[in-house]
Amino acid sequence: EDQVTQSPEALRLQEGESSSLNCSYTVSGLRGLFWYRQDPGKGPEFLFTLYSAGEEKEKERLKATLTKKESFLHITAPKPEDSATYLCAVLPHTGANSKLTFGKGITLSVRP
Amino acid sequence: DAGVTQSPTHLIKTRGQQVTLRCSPISGHKSVSWYQQVLGQGPQFIFQYYEKEERGRGNFPDRFSARQFPNYSSELNVNALLLGDSALYLCASSLGPGDGYTFGSGTRLTVV
Repeated sequence: EDQVTQSPEALRLQEGESSSLNCSYTVSGLRGLFWYRQDPGKGPEFLFTLYSAGEEKEKERLKATLTKKESFLHITAPKPEDSATYLCAVLPHTGANSKLTFGKGITLSVRP
Repeated sequence: DAGVTQSPTHLIKTRGQQVTLRCSPISGHKSVSWYQQVLGQGPQFIFQYYEKEERGRGNFPDRFSARQFPNYSSELNVNALLLGDSALYLCASSLGPGDGYTFGSGTRLTVV
């Protein structure tokens, strides 16, 4: 069964203090790894899809990387508006359906 | 462009009652998936529909059912509600199974 583990569960940063969020996964053939941002009471907002080891994608202060076992979401010089829960999910190659398996998420708080 | 639309946004039901949640996908998207998100957890897969046919079902009891209409909108039905069904119910649409998933804002269901 596909599994996703995110760490740490919560992270508190000072504004401008860069850090990384980890997503470890096991999947029977990776079709894609997804990063989402979720604000309280809202649906997940798509950030990135990574398809193969070595791939990197960037958007503003965020950069996502992928290896065969884990993905990192690097946050450079975060601002208070980056405070949210960050979700990682994997999509397997196999199976007739295409269900995302999510981790529990990492709650990021950025203090001004 | 309208995103994924879910209704209602909030709902309070009594144990034992039945509930229907609705989802309109992004125009042109033919696949709809439903997820349940309990507070503090990542979303859990419930159903996936593509071209009006069920393509996958998660580990949920038969009290949960869904369907997709010719216009690709979808309904999720839950019978005999339990307190543990209280959660944020998310709908995600995509062009097809395995393509990028866009989530709606969700329906917050509270069972009392």
